[in-house]
Amino acid sequence: NAGVMQNPRHLVRRRGQEARLRCSPMKGHSHVYWYRQLPEEGLKFMVYLQKENIIDESGMPKERFSAEFPKEGPSILRIQQVVRGDSAAYFCASSPGTAPYEQYFGPGTRLTVT
Amino acid sequence: AQSVTQLGSHVSVSEGALVLLRCNYSSSVPPYLFWYVQYPNQGLQLLLKYTSAATLVKGINGFEAEFKKSETSFHLTKPSAHMSDAAEYFCAVSESGGSNYKLTFGKGTLLTVNP
Repeated sequence: NAGVMQNPRHLVRRRGQEARLRCSPMKGHSHVYWYRQLPEEGLKFMVYLQKENIIDESGMPKERFSAEFPKEGPSILRIQQVVRGDSAAYFCASSPGTAPYEQYFGPGTRLTVT
Repeated sequence: AQSVTQLGSHVSVSEGALVLLRCNYSSSVPPYLFWYVQYPNQGLQLLLKYTSAATLVKGINGFEAEFKKSETSFHLTKPSAHMSDAAEYFCAVSESGGSNYKLTFGKGTLLTVNP
């Protein structure tokens, strides 16, 4: 069973560009969480999604950030008009409906904004 | 609101020595508790979890942790450190009993193992 997949693994964007981060959950998992890891700040929750629904986006910055988990295809975290402060590692985790508390993490996408 | 405190951002042990990584939590409801390990430039791997069953939890790679409600602690131990244990370790908490299990993480403890 393949693990959680994220792509790209590394992404370089210039200030003002858009970044799209993709997450394919483990087979059979219907819950997706996104976290951001900033130097000196640690891992912080951003958003929790189920298929076609945003359940909790309390950790998402109010502007420029959005997330979706469509019926078909991967979950997408989108950052518009990136700024240097968005440089971080972004991790997604998925969990099965039978054990929703058990989150399995992907390898992360390391975003660098120049 | 939940929070996690990991005492010691950096712990150094000799190969073969006991590993003890400390974690204290705060939660207004019964918690679920987790330890994750992160190797450089990789994602997080679940080491073990506490979900209100046995208070002594055994995980992978010889690690175990004990939930102590009276001390609000969930310390991670391993009797004998291996070089391959060198990594960063994160303690995390989520709320039980609901449907949203978002994790609140501690700031991490970097474990180095000396030969």
